[in-house]
Amino acid sequence: SAVISQKPSRDICQRGTSLTIQCQVDSQVTMMFWYRQQPGQSLTLIATANQGSEATYESGFVIDKFPISRPNLTFSTLTVSNMSPEDSSIYLCSVRDRGSEKLFFGSGTQLSVL
Amino acid sequence: GNSVTQMEGPVTLSEEAFLTINCTYTATGYPSLFWYVQYPGEGLQLLLKATKADDKGSNKGFEATYRKETTSFHLEKGSVQVSDSAVYFCALSAGSGTYKYIFGTGTRLKVLA
Repeated sequence: SAVISQKPSRDICQRGTSLTIQCQVDSQVTMMFWYRQQPGQSLTLIATANQGSEATYESGFVIDKFPISRPNLTFSTLTVSNMSPEDSSIYLCSVRDRGSEKLFFGSGTQLSVL
Repeated sequence: GNSVTQMEGPVTLSEEAFLTINCTYTATGYPSLFWYVQYPGEGLQLLLKATKADDKGSNKGFEATYRKETTSFHLEKGSVQVSDSAVYFCALSAGSGTYKYIFGTGTRLKVLA
């Protein structure tokens, strides 16, 4: 299993600013995933963060808007840049258990942009 | 493309009532199917899974059967408790070797004492 600590748990931000979300895992993992959960909608994969290489972004998400760092096998950050009210959402960090396809999630960051 | 459709909530039940949350999917190949649960203030956690047709996943009194003929994976529980109040997500993983999961929109369940 994996225990994921994600912070901040929530924040209220002004339009045009940036917020960095941190994700710490209690074990070494190859891939870490960042999801977005908009109100009333399903979880959407933003990108996959691999240690030592550029993150892989899904369609509709770009590095300039959501830069990701992955400095080691237990830590990653996601930055939401130049925020607008449309970025208001819950952002989730996740890792995958390689042996079972099981996903482990952080408790999420609830972001509100005014 | 792959997709998951689950019934909209919220679902409100009395304690000890029978629960069904419907989930259907479209996928190429042979996906694995999952139910995740999110309790208030906590992260999503795996509730149960099934990896091939006719498999039944079960955990904490919840069950779901992988029905290939109807492309469904409905979640059931015979007698719900107040502590089951949470948001339930149906999801699929599109075959071995892929890390991409497709989630449904989630169904909020509220159980009243």
